Amino acid sequence: DSGVTQTPKHLITATGQRVTLRCSPRSGDLSVYWYQQSLDQGLQFLIQYYNGEERAKGNILERFSAQQFPDLHSELNLSSLELGDSALYFCASSVGNPGAYEQYFGPGTRLTVT
Amino acid sequence: KNQVEQSPQSLIILEGKNCTLQCNYTVSPFSNLRWYKQDTGRGPVSLTIMTFSENTKSNGRYTATLDADTKQSSLHITASQLSDSASYICVVRPPNDYKLSFGAGTTVTVRA
Repeated sequence: DSGVTQTPKHLITATGQRVTLRCSPRSGDLSVYWYQQSLDQGLQFLIQYYNGEERAKGNILERFSAQQFPDLHSELNLSSLELGDSALYFCASSVGNPGAYEQYFGPGTRLTVT
Repeated sequence: KNQVEQSPQSLIILEGKNCTLQCNYTVSPFSNLRWYKQDTGRGPVSLTIMTFSENTKSNGRYTATLDADTKQSSLHITASQLSDSASYICVVRPPNDYKLSFGAGTTVTVRA
């Protein structure tokens, strides 16, 4: 158990809908990262927050947005969902800014868009 | 083109045997290189982290090596166990960059 929690574990929704994925980092970790992993593909970095502020953006679509709240939990919002958005979405956390610090991954949220 | 290429894409080995996974990267310079193990449907778990000045790092039956001159890393699994069946991911972090570069992973299947 990494100490990072993600909810829900599974999510099934229809195209065009909007969903929110939630992540609680390990106690004491200030950085939160979001990743997308499509079937048989590698992890794709989406976005990173550090202590409530956005720090880095990766391959995140404009239909996706995220935020980190004062209690350091984070939410990833996916809107106007398409079939291709079906994937595993992972959240990771680290104690500080990235690179030197180990990232601990949560169990993931499996999103299925039908 | 991906900055981190892993090979082979997949491999099958018998329990008790050894295997070696390869990672070639173009990120240069880099701050550190990591190997993660990802069980199916679960989040990746760190196995080793090496800075550019380190040549080898071990974690139990897992040994990672790094050749910064040739920009290659390898992960050696000794005396494989059924629980080693997973995807192994090589990750490189450039200096002064928040974004990690992930390889596509090598899927290892250990059979009894």
